[in-house]
Amino acid sequence: KAGVTQTPRYLIKTRGQQVTLSCSPISGHRSVSWYQQTPGQGLQFLFEYFSETQRNKGNFPGRFSGRQFSNSRSEMNVSTLELGDSALYLCASSLGQLDNEQFFGPGTRLTVL
Amino acid sequence: AQKVTQAQTEISVVEKEDVTLDCVYETRDTTYYLFWYKQPPSGELVFLIRRNSFDEQNEISGRYSWNFQKSTSSFNFTITASQVVDSAVYFCALSSYGGSQGNLIFGKGTKLSVKP
Repeated sequence: KAGVTQTPRYLIKTRGQQVTLSCSPISGHRSVSWYQQTPGQGLQFLFEYFSETQRNKGNFPGRFSGRQFSNSRSEMNVSTLELGDSALYLCASSLGQLDNEQFFGPGTRLTVL
Repeated sequence: AQKVTQAQTEISVVEKEDVTLDCVYETRDTTYYLFWYKQPPSGELVFLIRRNSFDEQNEISGRYSWNFQKSTSSFNFTITASQVVDSAVYFCALSSYGGSQGNLIFGKGTKLSVKP
């Protein structure tokens, strides 16, 4: 069974640009969650999508958005990039219930110059 | 509010030593789940264990064991006879109805270095 895949793995952007990251969940998983990992703030929850609907959202500005497609693949978008957006962005998929463990992808390393 | 605290930022041990990673959590929910994840240098988070709030039995899996105590809101993780391959950052996480299913609340992580 294929794991969670994220593309691209590495990305370099400049301030003010926008970026789109992609996540393909494990087959059969309907929930996709996104997390931002930085040395200072650690792992922080961005949002979760379940069956194409945003089910929960973390405390991030509106520049961070996402969506989920009918095949459960998800994208997250960050507009007007800031230096502080440099981070490892992790995507996790699960079956969608409270007790289901989340399986994480390898992450996308975003560097904003 | 939900919160996970891992007070140990970094731990360094010599191979074959036992090491315990501490995790203390806060939640007002009566039903919740606790997790441990391992993050090797490659960056991918690897699931280690899940424990629900109604099951306080300790669990052992090979060299790994977990001690869940609701009375102290702790979910500690012990590695017996540590090996160099155990070197990684370990995260404790909480999932509760107050935070929705897909929202894992992570501690800051404990970086474990096992030296040969």
